[in-house]
Order: sequence, then structure tokens, then C-alpha cells
Amino acid sequence: DAKTTQPPSMDCAEGRAANLPCNHSTISGNEYVYWYRQIHSQGPQYIIHGLKNNETNEMASLIITEDRKSSTLILPHATLRDTAVYYCIVRSFSGSARQLTFGSGTQLTVLP
Amino acid sequence: NAGVTQTPKFQVLKTGQSMTLQCAQDMNHEYMSWYRQDPGMGLRLIHYSVGAGITDQGEVPNGYNVSRSTTEDFPLRLLSAAPSQTSVYFCASSYSGTGPYEQYFGPGTRLTVT
Repeated sequence: DAKTTQPPSMDCAEGRAANLPCNHSTISGNEYVYWYRQIHSQGPQYIIHGLKNNETNEMASLIITEDRKSSTLILPHATLRDTAVYYCIVRSFSGSARQLTFGSGTQLTVLP
Repeated sequence: NAGVTQTPKFQVLKTGQSMTLQCAQDMNHEYMSWYRQDPGMGLRLIHYSVGAGITDQGEVPNGYNVSRSTTEDFPLRLLSAAPSQTSVYFCASSYSGTGPYEQYFGPGTRLTVT
């Protein structure tokens, strides 16, 4: 699986968009970009994933650069409940094993 | 759907005691796994299973046993608890096979070994 690099921490004002970057310069063609988050002491929660196109769901948007070497998770209107550690994970799923490798993630703090 | 459930939520053990952490899912997922998370760290994979009767080791398997007799349940056994096993344990499940299926995580079991 490709290695990912994320900033250790970020702040965002409540109501503003939170843009969380992830660098994955060694990503290969069949690897997806996944985002999970972990709100304090809870189990990780799936947010969104993408292969090459930009994706949007009810939680967030995922923007992947054309060369796929980096991506940005966007929370359009951050709330205090979005304060969490956000993990960017790059993974291919060519077999039946689904294990994920969690790095250190980005601690997002939404400020009132 | 209850999703992924874990019991107990909290547990305190003495060194040398054994116990089983329970994990169950009602989504008919083939893949299940156990992670541990130490304070300030990311999750590390202990064991995983791609279906009933099939298990394999993850990154940190020593001191833990697993079995998978049904699709729904994937218990994690601590054979002889040590203080180094003080951690939060998360169970996860997912559909298996080729495809970008997301994983669902349980609420965790907080284990302290004294």
C-alpha cells in the first residue's frame, strides 16, 4: 500500500470549510484513497473514498489531483462535532483481505 | 441493524488472567478484524478473518488467539494478560472480495491490565 503524509494538526472555524490535505505520491493505478475519522475514544468512522474522480456524499467531498499524487478532504460547513482525528489511507483490494493501515492522521479541531 | 457490537465496554484484568473480548456483526460481512490502539497512536492490526473457519495474523498477533466458527462472531482471546496489553480494542467488519467496500468499526473495549 502507498504511504500517505498528513499534517499532524489543523484548526478550522465553526461554519467554515475544513480542507484536509493528504500526500500519496507513490500511489499506484489500482489503489483507492479512503478517509476515515475517529472522534475521541470512539471507533473509526468511514467518510468517503475515491479512485480518480472527485467524489461527494452527505458527509464530505474528496478532491483527487489529476496525477493522483495528493487529495483533499473537504468538510463544507464544519461543526464542533467534526473535531476528530482524520486518517487518509491508500489501499488496493485485489484479494479478500481488507485490512487497513492507519498512520498518525490529522487532528482537526473546530473552534467556536 | 445493530452494526458491529463489542462486549464488554470496559475490563480490568490482573497480570496472568485470561479473557475473551466479544465481537459480533449482523451485516453478513465475510471479513472481520481486530485492532488495538495505544494512547496517542494509530490502530494496529492484531488478527483478521476472511470467512468462517479462516483466520490469519496481523501486525501484532503475539499474546492473542482468534477463531471464527460463524460469520457473525469473531472473539479475541487474551491467553495470559500482560500490562503491555493495556489498550483499546476495536473490531471491524466489511464485505470481502474485490471492491472498495468500507469497513465498519465497533465502539471498542477498553482493557486495563494491572
